[in-house]
Amino acid sequence: EAGVVQSPRYKIIEKKQPVAFWCNPISGHNTLYWYLQNLGQGPELLIRYENEEAVDDSQLPKDRFSAERLKGVDSTLKIQPAELGDSAVYLCASSRGGRGEQFFGPGTRLTVL
Amino acid sequence: GESVGLHLPTLSVQEGDNSIINCAYSNSASDYFIWYKQESGKGPQFIIDIRSNMDKRQGQRVTVLLNKTVKHLSLQIAATQPGDSAVYFCAENTGTASKLTFGTGTRLQVTL
Repeated sequence: EAGVVQSPRYKIIEKKQPVAFWCNPISGHNTLYWYLQNLGQGPELLIRYENEEAVDDSQLPKDRFSAERLKGVDSTLKIQPAELGDSAVYLCASSRGGRGEQFFGPGTRLTVL
Repeated sequence: GESVGLHLPTLSVQEGDNSIINCAYSNSASDYFIWYKQESGKGPQFIIDIRSNMDKRQGQRVTVLLNKTVKHLSLQIAATQPGDSAVYFCAENTGTASKLTFGTGTRLQVTL
């Protein structure tokens, strides 16, 4: 079984530019999560989807961050415009149901210059 | 690959020794706890979990202990191997939804 797929693995952009990250969860997993991980810290939840519905986006900075999961499968997280403080690893995870074990992808490391 | 964390608490153990990694959690209402292992350049990987109605759970070479009185969780790794070198995070879940709150990680270094 393929794991959670994320792309790109690395992204370097200049501040004020837009950036997008893509995630394909494990087949059959209806719950999808986006986390942000700063260096030396644990992941912090940005948004959680149940199928195509965002059920928890309380930690998503909505002035510059947006996410979508239009068909309830893969998802895109966007930042526009990016700021220096957005440099971090963006992790995607999926689970079978809201209380299932979460499986993480390898993450996208974003560097904003 | 890049380092997961450069200024994390670090535990150094010799190969073959037992390792104990500790974690203090914050919410007394949390009812589910998980230990994750994160290697450099990879996402967190599930190791073992425990529910709040238990105080001990064993897996293959790993044991998790839960002390709800002092809100403390520990991960014990028996016969630590070089492949165990990674950053370890505890995570707590509160409520009906799978909303995990991760603690501060601990870097485990296994020396030969």
